[in-house]
Amino acid sequence: DAEITQSPRHKITETGRQVTLACHQTWNHNNMFWYRQDLGHGLRLIHYSYGVQDTNKGEVSDGYSVSRSNTEDLPLTLESAASSQTSVYFCASSEGANTEAFFGQGTRLTVV
Amino acid sequence: AQRVTQPEKLLSVFKGAPVELKCNYSYSGSPELFWYVQYSRQRLQLLLRHISRESIKGFTADLNKGETSFHLKKPFAQEEDSAMYYCALWVTDKLIFGTGTRLQVFP
Repeated sequence: DAEITQSPRHKITETGRQVTLACHQTWNHNNMFWYRQDLGHGLRLIHYSYGVQDTNKGEVSDGYSVSRSNTEDLPLTLESAASSQTSVYFCASSEGANTEAFFGQGTRLTVV
Repeated sequence: AQRVTQPEKLLSVFKGAPVELKCNYSYSGSPELFWYVQYSRQRLQLLLRHISRESIKGFTADLNKGETSFHLKKPFAQEEDSAMYYCALWVTDKLIFGTGTRLQVFP
C-alpha cells in the first residue's frame, strides 16, 4: 500500500545545530508540504513543492529550507535550530490541488 | 488575505448532545474546503470535503458562500468523536488550515 513516512519520530537537538527531517511518500504525488503544529496556532505551512526541483515558501519559512531532487522525498532542514522551532512537524502529499492530502505520522522536535 | 478561522479552541459536550464546530473562510475564488480530524496520537486524516456532500461518521458540513462558512455538524456526539478537528482550504495549489478545535465528548 502507498504511504507517507517521516523520520525520525522524535528528535532532541541543541540550539544552533543543523537538523534534517525526512519525508518519503510512495503515492507518486507531485505536491508535498511541510507544516508545523503548535498549540493555539494549528497547522502552519512551512514550505511546499509541486514537483521535482520546485520549492516554495509558506507562511513560516524563516529558518527552514527544503529540496526536491525526486518525486518521493522532501527533506526539511533547520539551518541553525532555535528553541522557537520546538514543535511537531507534519509532512503531507497530494495528487494535485483540491484533492485529499495524506499526512505522515509527525516528527516531534525539541530544541534545547 | 486568504484565511481559515475556527473561533473555538475547545468544545465540550456530553454524549448524545448535538455538535457544531465552526469554520469561516476568507477567499476570493471558488473555495475547496475540507475537514480533517486528528485522533489522539494519530496522523491527520480526511473527514469530509464539501463537494462530496457525504456524511462520514455521522458528520456533515454545508458550504454557505453567503456567510463564508463551512461548519461541521453531528446530531448526536459519541465519545469516540473526541479529537482535534481542522478546517482546511485550498488556495491555488497550497492547503491552509485553521487553528483547530478540540472536541471533548464526556460520557
